[in-house]
Amino acid sequence: GESVGLHLPTLSVQEGDNSIINCAYSNSASDYFIWYKQESGKGPQFIIDIRSNMDKRQGQRVTVLLNKTVKHLSLQIAATQPGDSAVYFCAEKIPGAQKLVFGQGTRLTINP
Amino acid sequence: NAGVTQTPKFRVLKTGQSMTLLCAQDMNHEYMYWYRQDPGMGLRLIHYSVGEGTTAKGEVPDGYNVSRLKKQNFLLGLESAAPSQTSVYFCASSYLSGEKLFFGSGTQLSVL
Repeated sequence: GESVGLHLPTLSVQEGDNSIINCAYSNSASDYFIWYKQESGKGPQFIIDIRSNMDKRQGQRVTVLLNKTVKHLSLQIAATQPGDSAVYFCAEKIPGAQKLVFGQGTRLTINP
Repeated sequence: NAGVTQTPKFRVLKTGQSMTLLCAQDMNHEYMYWYRQDPGMGLRLIHYSVGEGTTAKGEVPDGYNVSRLKKQNFLLGLESAAPSQTSVYFCASSYLSGEKLFFGSGTQLSVL
């Protein structure tokens, strides 16, 4: 999700459970969306992307869902592992734009 | 294949000093970007380039300059550093405009 200020939204899940991280995007004209994972002290790492002509896309253990009606994007991680602990960012791009616009991130914490 | 390489990884400056951050990519990407990341905030675009010899302003360009003399390199300069420029700086590159960016590992800059 999105938030304002210094405190990131946090999601805590049990190891082995499925995680769902949500993101509300801002521009109804956006036609490309992407999820990144950022571990402490590292750069953002690509997870999965989706175009606006799709509602769902699956990768290895991850699924992205796009609901254009309510401008909502979600990332589902199956069978969450300790290595999934990180901050997850969604980003959007509008047609013709050269840049991605990033959300503020969600911190995912895995409980053993 | 190193991907995107940033140097230096850490730097401390005094107010008014200048410095240059170097970004190099070995993926033959046309598009390159400089982002800054501050606590509790997403990545914000400083400047970007759509090809060798081109540069353009992003969301927060003030106080920064860039150059793209070679396709594989994108330099970010601070002419007179200010404490407000204390941040983590990320360089990224992409094959398509604004899509599936590959990020470097970041430069942590402190301005005292």
